[in-house]
Amino acid sequence: KAGVTQTPRYLIKTRGQQVTLSCSPISGHRSVSWYQQTPGQGLQFLFEYFSETQRNKGNFPGRFSGRQFSNSRSEMNVSTLELGDSALYLCASSLYGQSNTEAFFGQGTRLTVV
Amino acid sequence: GIQVEQSPPDLILQEGANSTLRCNFSDSVNNLQWFHQNPWGQLINLFYIPSGTKQNGRLSATTVATERYSLLYISSSQTTDSGVYFCAVEAGGYQKVTFGTGTKLQVIP
Repeated sequence: KAGVTQTPRYLIKTRGQQVTLSCSPISGHRSVSWYQQTPGQGLQFLFEYFSETQRNKGNFPGRFSGRQFSNSRSEMNVSTLELGDSALYLCASSLYGQSNTEAFFGQGTRLTVV
Repeated sequence: GIQVEQSPPDLILQEGANSTLRCNFSDSVNNLQWFHQNPWGQLINLFYIPSGTKQNGRLSATTVATERYSLLYISSSQTTDSGVYFCAVEAGGYQKVTFGTGTKLQVIP
């Protein structure tokens, strides 16, 4: 059974650009959550999607957005990149959501903004 | 929101030693998981343990939900156990997970 796949693994972008990250969950899983990890703030929840609907979001500006497709694959987009957006972005896949089912993480996308 | 504290923040062990990592949380939780983050950043599942005790080889975990803490035990530690250990909880049923600050473990030969 394939695990959670995140692409790309590494990205370098310039301030002001936008970026799109992709996450393919485990087959059959309907929930995808996104997290940002930085040395200063630790692991922070961005948002969670289930059956193409955003069910909750964390305390991030509107520059951070996401969506989920009918095959449960999810993308997150960051517009007008800032230096502080440099981070490891992780996505988690779970059957029905992390309230009551186990979550599995991808390898992450390491974004560097210069 | 819920507060999650892990202790100790840093731990250095001699290979073969045992250790206990602690996760305290400030409210009732629906879900609790322990993860090991490897040097490449991936979070590896250790335990899904909202309550009770589980064991997997040299690792075991106990969550006492009524007292709002969880413990991760590592026995006969190996250098490959090095890395950062996180607990993550979900409270309220809103799918929003809060991670602890982590315990950085270094096992030396």
